[in-house]
Amino acid sequence: DIQMTQSPSSLSASVGDRVTITCRASQGISNSLAWYQQKPGKAPKLLLYAASRLESGVPSRFSGSGSGTDYTLTISSLQPEDFATYYCQQYYTTPPLTFGGGTKVEIK
Amino acid sequence: QVQLVESGGGVVQPGGSLRLSCSASGFTFSSYGMHWVRQAPGKGLEWVAFIQYDGSNKYYADSVKGRFTISRDNSKNTLYLQMNSLRAEDTAVYYCAKERTPVTTPYYFDYWGQGTLVTVSS
Repeated sequence: DIQMTQSPSSLSASVGDRVTITCRASQGISNSLAWYQQKPGKAPKLLLYAASRLESGVPSRFSGSGSGTDYTLTISSLQPEDFATYYCQQYYTTPPLTFGGGTKVEIK
Repeated sequence: QVQLVESGGGVVQPGGSLRLSCSASGFTFSSYGMHWVRQAPGKGLEWVAFIQYDGSNKYYADSVKGRFTISRDNSKNTLYLQMNSLRAEDTAVYYCAKERTPVTTPYYFDYWGQGTLVTVSS
């Protein structure tokens, strides 16, 4: 199974900050990566797929990049509604689909 | 608009059984694979199972293989998860989720239900 490691596990940031979250796969996943946002008590929401493709309706301040084993999610200017937990998920080798452990973005 | 509504969660004793349902609307249910994903309290996401659009192929996480069965009734636009031999570590919110593209293998999820809580405890 492919293991996904996210870092950091949590971070504190201010509104307007640029935030970067990293996801590392245990083997190359050829951009087969999705990113989700989850707010407390809510279901996850798809943000990006194929590492860098923005899901319809998602603000353009969210972007993704990477290749091989290393991928990043960037929020260019953090907004109040962006405080949440973010998960990466690989779909290169399935089953199983595997998620990273999550990154909680908190208000500084 | 796409809606997924889970039901059937509750408290069950270790070794017991439970069947979850997910009622789908707002898309052509019979054209898309469907998933169950769970989240233990305060923990991350864990993929549980996938069923192909027509029910002909099913995949499971090792942690539930042999105990859980995913199924669907396309005439009722409903997804199911039969959970047997439940353990304390199966305690979680269970989400049904729609596969993003009409493919026959599991990829990723574009719509999720609100989740239903399953608690396994004596």
